[in-house]
Amino acid sequence: GQQLNQSPQSMFIQEGEDVSMNCTSSSIFNTWLWYKQEPGEGPVLLIALYKAGELTSNGRLTAQFGITRKDSFLNISASIPSDVGIYFCAGLTLFTGGNEKLTFGTGTRLTIIP
Amino acid sequence: NAGVMQNPRHLVRRRGQEARLRCSPMKGHSHVYWYRQLPEEGLKFMVYLQKENIIDESGMPKERFSAEFPKEGPSILRIQQVVRGDSAAYFCASSLSTDQPQHFGDGTRLSIL
Repeated sequence: GQQLNQSPQSMFIQEGEDVSMNCTSSSIFNTWLWYKQEPGEGPVLLIALYKAGELTSNGRLTAQFGITRKDSFLNISASIPSDVGIYFCAGLTLFTGGNEKLTFGTGTRLTIIP
Repeated sequence: NAGVMQNPRHLVRRRGQEARLRCSPMKGHSHVYWYRQLPEEGLKFMVYLQKENIIDESGMPKERFSAEFPKEGPSILRIQQVVRGDSAAYFCASSLSTDQPQHFGDGTRLSIL
């Protein structure tokens, strides 16, 4: 089955630093999504990418959909305490007939050191 | 501004009992998805439903698990004769259409005693 490898697994950074994480896959995806999950809550959508090569920003967040459709990265600039959480990449595959499912990466846990 | 609503937030069951997890999608969304998450792991797809139809259940265990999304009312994920290994967080997501992003509820945390 499809697998998404996300790295790094965890990051410990100081407030104000920039963050970069990425996701790679052995398979092609039609859409890449980045979610953030905080303890006790569901994943919250941060950015959606629909086209290969697409670069999209959402405030301090920037994400790109790789040209090969097999990878994506997420950057967070000037991190703040509320950025703490687990970040998941997710790939969406559309099958014939409209079936679809999200395949999630293993997550990157972001911790900000005071 | 109602998002995806799941209840209960926490559910405790003894082995052998039944667990029923409910999900009300966002207003206007007719596509519902169920995922399961174990601690320190990503979410794993279970089943995808549209109103009254199961579209893809390739991630759902063949036995004891079932899902429905009736014409009226919430989607239900039902686990019969629960076992310890069923303990997990179960998340529901909904979308407007197949090519639109999925929005998640806050999950139901199922604990089996």
